[in-house]
Parts: sequence; C-alpha cells; structure tokens
Amino acid sequence: EVQMLQSGAEVKKPGATVRISCKVSGYTFTDYYIHWVQQAPGRGLKWMGQVDPEDGETVYGEVFQDRITLSADTFTETAYMELSNLKPEDTAIYYCKTTTGRYWGQGTLVSVSS
Amino acid sequence: EIVLTQTPLSSPVSLGQSASISCISSESLLDNKGITYLNWLQQRPGQAPRLLIYKVSKRLPGVPDRFIGDGAGTVFTLTITRVEPEDVGIYFCTQDTQSPPTFGPGTKVEIK
Repeated sequence: EVQMLQSGAEVKKPGATVRISCKVSGYTFTDYYIHWVQQAPGRGLKWMGQVDPEDGETVYGEVFQDRITLSADTFTETAYMELSNLKPEDTAIYYCKTTTGRYWGQGTLVSVSS
Repeated sequence: EIVLTQTPLSSPVSLGQSASISCISSESLLDNKGITYLNWLQQRPGQAPRLLIYKVSKRLPGVPDRFIGDGAGTVFTLTITRVEPEDVGIYFCTQDTQSPPTFGPGTKVEIK
C-alpha cells in the first residue's frame, strides 16, 4: 500500500522558516516526482513546485520561488518542503503528492501568527 | 499559466439525482502527443484531495462508475449520477498538460 506520511502541524511567527517532511512508502521513491500544493482557507489549491527524487532537480512556482526549497533524500525516501520568510497569508494546509495526483499526503497545517 | 474555470461553484443535489460540473480551460489541454491531462479530484470534508478521474475520462480503480468524465480541448464535464451521501465534498478539475499545473476553484457538492 502506498503511503505519503507528512510531518505534524506547525505554528510559526512571521519571518520564520518551516520545514515539512513527506515520508514515502509502497513504491520506488525515484519513480515519481513529488509535488507540493498549498491549500489556504478560501484560496483553493496552489501548486508550489516539484522535485525529482532521482537527481534532485526542482521546478518552483513563480509565487513561491524566492522562498521555497524542495529536496528529496533517497536513503530515507523522504521529501522536504522548506518555506522561508513566512507571512500570515501562508497559513494553510500543505500537501505532498505524486505527479499524477494518484497519491497524496494527509496534509500538514501551518499556522503563521505573531 | 492556464486558468481553469468551474461552474457552478455550489451544487445542491437530492440523493439519487445527478450533479454536473463544468470545467473550462483558458487554453487547449491537448498536448503535442495527443494526450489531454485533465483530471478531477474529490475532497471530502476534512480529508486530503483524492484523484477520481485522470486524462479526462479514466476512472481510478475503486471509483464508482457513477463518476463520468468527458470533454476535449478546453471544455470538460464531471457528472455524478445517482448521488450518494459519500459524494458530498468539493470537486476540483486540474491540468498538468502545461507547467505550472493549475487547479479550478472547486465546486461544492452538497445534499439538498
């Protein structure tokens, strides 16, 4: 059974950095790119970027590209999303998923407040 | 980037009746290999999105045949026939024909 297990909820202050993990099991880690999607209250789903676990190549969404870092560790089969300089409007649920969207993590709530 | 527009944004439907959701793309989603990467997601309350249909009309294993995807080019439809209580949620169309992948705003399906 495929699972994408994300790390737990985070509470951060404006200007801080958050790092979320996405531990994969049930398929070969390097078979699929891993994407990250933001779901902010009332703002729908927004693609943030993708990482190729095989070679670490990344593509970032324009809105996030100055603040996001995606990575993937093939030894632990874990992908990471780091978002810096957090703002209150970054309060959202963040999901990892595979390229086709067939598999999704359960989501990680990040709350940003002073 | 490609913009996906969904209508309606809310769809109250009686149990056993049908719901139909339209998704219109700002550009054709047919790629240069003849594949259309238009997918439909279901998000039940409090859950992560789940892929129901990919490449316009292909249902994932385990997805009831009550869910029917159709369309081509820029105009797509998801029809839910014989709506059941478990179908309540938000439905998103999404495309990955062109980068960046984009999502429609979502259509909330609820029971009347």
